[in-house]
Amino acid sequence: SAVISQKPSRDICQRGTSLTIQCQVDSQVTMMFWYRQQPGQSLTLIATANQGSEATYESGFVIDKFPISRPNLTFSTLTVSNMSPEDSSIYLCSLRAQATNEAFFGQGTRLTVV
Amino acid sequence: GNSVTQMEGPVTLSEEAFLTINCTYTATGYPSLFWYVQYPGEGLQLLLKATKADDKGSNKGFEATYRKETTSFHLEKGSVQVSDSAVYFCALLQGAQKLVFGQGTRLTINP
Repeated sequence: SAVISQKPSRDICQRGTSLTIQCQVDSQVTMMFWYRQQPGQSLTLIATANQGSEATYESGFVIDKFPISRPNLTFSTLTVSNMSPEDSSIYLCSLRAQATNEAFFGQGTRLTVV
Repeated sequence: GNSVTQMEGPVTLSEEAFLTINCTYTATGYPSLFWYVQYPGEGLQLLLKATKADDKGSNKGFEATYRKETTSFHLEKGSVQVSDSAVYFCALLQGAQKLVFGQGTRLTINP
């Protein structure tokens, strides 16, 4: 199984600011994803992070609000821009193993916007 | 589109009780089915999986059987422990499509 390091693990931010979350994987993977988990809710896919090209966003999520970078096959960042209290959530990085189709998750970033 | 429906929570049981968390799905064809567990303050961990009809996934005393006829993948454990307290998510994956999660079921086990 892959090891995913996500940081920061938590942060408290002022509204109107931006936070960049980093995700580092210990092996090269093709498919990386970013999810949001609002309080008491299930996971919602934000986007698929594509290496060397623009991320593919799900309905309701836009690049200006959630810019994503993926400079190589082991690293990705998600930025939450111009934050408001409604952005308070857990953000999770994930990858999918091609051979088994299993998904692995980082430990998540618990974001509180005040 | 594909969807997953889980038993409403929260669920509270006493230690050593029998656990069932219901999960049903809607999908065309034959998706792969998963149960993930999220312990307090942590990310999701794969608990078990099944990739075809009648497969039984098992791990840490938990079991779930892929039932095509009832489109279900119910999670069971014969004797729960306090350490099983967590949120459990049922999920499906079909081909190269995105992973679809149920709403999650919060389980609390009292000593």
